[in-house]
Amino acid sequence: DVKVTQSSRYLVKRTGEKVFLECVQDMDHENMFWYRQDPGLGLRLIYFSYDVKMKEKGDIPEGYSVSREKKERFSLILESASTNQTSMYLCASSLETAGNQPQHFGDGTRLSIL
Amino acid sequence: QKEVEQNSGPLSVPEGAIASLNCTYSDRGSQSFFWYRQYSGKSPELIMSIYSNGDKEDGRFTAQLNKASQYVSLLIRDSQPSDSATYLCASVPLSGSARQLTFGSGTQLTVLP
Repeated sequence: DVKVTQSSRYLVKRTGEKVFLECVQDMDHENMFWYRQDPGLGLRLIYFSYDVKMKEKGDIPEGYSVSREKKERFSLILESASTNQTSMYLCASSLETAGNQPQHFGDGTRLSIL
Repeated sequence: QKEVEQNSGPLSVPEGAIASLNCTYSDRGSQSFFWYRQYSGKSPELIMSIYSNGDKEDGRFTAQLNKASQYVSLLIRDSQPSDSATYLCASVPLSGSARQLTFGSGTQLTVLP
């Protein structure tokens, strides 16, 4: 089974802090994704990566950055946290084969910015 | 225009009934479709994948794909209270990156004991 592990289930930070969310997958997947999910807004893609050191912006990249130094690890960085970044953050990974592969999600991090 | 549409519900069915969840998509070139189940406060869990027209069965779940009509459905037979969750439909669109999924907003299902 695919295992996607997010470093924290719950996180509380203060406005202006730099926040790191970590995600690790154990299935040698090429693609990794960061989403946020808010009530009534569904899943929104922040960034994704299809290879080490490669990244592409998703639908809502503003206020976020990402890092992928190793294939199994994909980090989401909130450069200066704001209260409107309070949300559920979900990491996912998938295999790179002609786009027919589903994404597998981690357990999520519920982030609160005070 | 949202590319994957789902009826948000809530959909309520009695225990033991068949629950029918529907999804339509706008990108005619979409090839791959997935159903995810998401319990409240939890992350989405993949339950079905379907790639070709027709039905695909897995236990109590049946996914149906009709590319001509551009819809995907999920049937849950003998519904149980533990099936109460939000169900997300997702597709791989022809346009844009083939690595991405387009998600619907989900249908909330409640199975009444």
